[in-house]
Amino acid sequence: RKEVEQDPGPFNVPEGATVAFNCTYSNSASQSFFWYRQDCRKEPKLLMSVYSSGNEDGRFTAQLNRASQYISLLIRDSKLSDSATYLCAVNMKGNFNKFYFGSGTKLNVKP
Amino acid sequence: DAGVIQSPRHEVTEMGQEVTLRCKPISGHDYLFWYRQTMMRGLELLIYFNNNVPIDDSGMPEDRFSAKMPNASFSTLKIQPSEPRDSAVYFCASRLTGTPYEQYFGPGTRLTVT
Repeated sequence: RKEVEQDPGPFNVPEGATVAFNCTYSNSASQSFFWYRQDCRKEPKLLMSVYSSGNEDGRFTAQLNRASQYISLLIRDSKLSDSATYLCAVNMKGNFNKFYFGSGTKLNVKP
Repeated sequence: DAGVIQSPRHEVTEMGQEVTLRCKPISGHDYLFWYRQTMMRGLELLIYFNNNVPIDDSGMPEDRFSAKMPNASFSTLKIQPSEPRDSAVYFCASRLTGTPYEQYFGPGTRLTVT
């Protein structure tokens, strides 16, 4: 079983829509959680960390549900420029150098 | 400031040939990571170095893969002999001690083995 699983999508949404992705992780020892954005044929870039209490950065909200072992990313008022693949990543207690990435969820925002 | 630099950006080679991928981390960064990304397996950590010393190579798929970091500004990932299933995008990333979650990725090397 993969450490981290994501729905590959694609999620096709109109501009202005709200869209949410989930990412499940299998190891209850997972300690830190992140969302990365990857544009087509580009490298991943850190979008935001996910804190236990949930956190918001502009139109982006990340949440963690430890009981059900998933993290989520909510994007409000989607922009064309939000079109990308969103990767979730986790690492384990005691080794913050070893990241386990999901395969990514593709988002297409249409005009 | 320059980011992580990787070369070549694209590599096409025939099965059985040796392939060498190169990475220059961000100046001053003391951690360097090699990842591989495929559609099937996603983004996987292969190996990482701290202060030029390999710390964890448990992700290296097999003996055909080797990585070195002879100095703080250069690392190589070598595949010998290459196989078609090695076709993937290989990313190098670096970070600085004290910023554990902020890894900066290079643009990647797209490897095709025919």
